[in-house]
Amino acid sequence: DTEVTQTPKHLVMGMTNKKSLKCEQHMGHRAMYWYKQKAKKPPELMFVYSYEKLSINESVPSRFSPECPNSSLLNLHLHALQPEDSALYLCASSPRDTFSYEQYFGPGTRLTVT
Amino acid sequence: DAKTTQPNSMESNEEEPVHLPCNHSTISGTDYIHWYRQLPSQGPEYVIHGLTSNVNNRMASLAIAEDRKSSTLILHRATLRDAAVYYCILRAYQGGSEKLVFGKGTKLTVNP
Repeated sequence: DTEVTQTPKHLVMGMTNKKSLKCEQHMGHRAMYWYKQKAKKPPELMFVYSYEKLSINESVPSRFSPECPNSSLLNLHLHALQPEDSALYLCASSPRDTFSYEQYFGPGTRLTVT
Repeated sequence: DAKTTQPNSMESNEEEPVHLPCNHSTISGTDYIHWYRQLPSQGPEYVIHGLTSNVNNRMASLAIAEDRKSSTLILHRATLRDAAVYYCILRAYQGGSEKLVFGKGTKLTVNP
């Protein structure tokens, strides 16, 4: 199984809401990633988890809060977002937390903040 | 800092070869060149990567210039399913940490 799954596929939330994005992989990968992708732009790295510990935070605002409950799951908790946070949020995994390994991406969650 | 430059778009005909160029004139000796593609409504998908020598796999070939300042992704026979945005990416060290530096991507259109 070489699949990364993400739920929900689409999410609309108000600026005062709290919501969570979920990501799951069963490939035994020990590194997991969150990316943000605006329309017609390349993905931008947000967070990296290695062995369930946060190893990279690319200066992401605190209204985005990642969590890695176990080696297969990655969550992104959202609170008090702004309309400019509307984007496609991609999760990825790789065997280790070095970028020399192939990353497997999920299909993304399309987030709209109203 | 590492940077890649790609054409915004390219067109090809089905069953013809496609050569997607990437310029990375600021590449350093330890930077790897990766290519990913993103089909419509999907997450990116790994295509190929290399350091110095040309590389082949079942999806594509990667031709790297001798001075490593440019590379070309080659799809040997384009199909309609190859229509995607292709990203040329450098795996580089910046500020003491490893990073993936994405190009802006080339949107490939394949005509039947």
